[in-house]
Amino acid sequence: DAKTTQPTSMDCAEGRAANLPCNHSTISGNEYVYWYRQIHSQGPQYIIHGLKNNETNEMASLIITEDRKSSTLILPHATLRDTAVYYCIVRVAYNTDKLIFGTGTRLQVFP
Amino acid sequence: NAGVTQTPKFQVLKTGQSMTLQCAQDMNHEYMSWYRQDPGMGLRLIHYSVGAGITDQGEVPNGYNVSRSTTEDFPLRLELAAPSQTSVYFCASSGSYGELFFGEGSRLTVL
Repeated sequence: DAKTTQPTSMDCAEGRAANLPCNHSTISGNEYVYWYRQIHSQGPQYIIHGLKNNETNEMASLIITEDRKSSTLILPHATLRDTAVYYCIVRVAYNTDKLIFGTGTRLQVFP
Repeated sequence: NAGVTQTPKFQVLKTGQSMTLQCAQDMNHEYMSWYRQDPGMGLRLIHYSVGAGITDQGEVPNGYNVSRSTTEDFPLRLELAAPSQTSVYFCASSGSYGELFFGEGSRLTVL
């Protein structure tokens, strides 16, 4: 079973920040939090990952709570092209175990 | 840089036929995996491999076989295709930080 829970859907106005929450209350100390998105029927795209510190890259920011039981992906200025399904996943970084996707959050950015 | 390459992109089979979906990556990744995605649904893990000669089952392995004779290739075989296997199939490999790189998908229809 997926180790994360996310809201089924969210809306965001274009130009505003999109804040996508994820609950991973059973996360282990050596598990990272990863975010992916899938636009329409394309292959999922890696966005960002982190262990316990907040992370930022050119696509998004990742805020992880101090107890690591939840995180938030922030798209600072959402555009229509950010409309997609966003998946939050936890896994050990070093590729020794299977990776299970949950159902994700369908983000709709509107004009 | 080709990344993860899947062939064919589209395939139509009749019930009972066999076929192999090919997946190749040129990033020297040890971890590779296959997912299926039914319309309007999330990704479900079929099989995965943590290195050449090692494979293991995911969430929905029945009806599918895999092998991993080289680091680069991870083919998925359907021995007796059934209409329930109509889906989009994604292959992925995992980089140094555990992030997955996905292929463009193979769209299979079983009549």
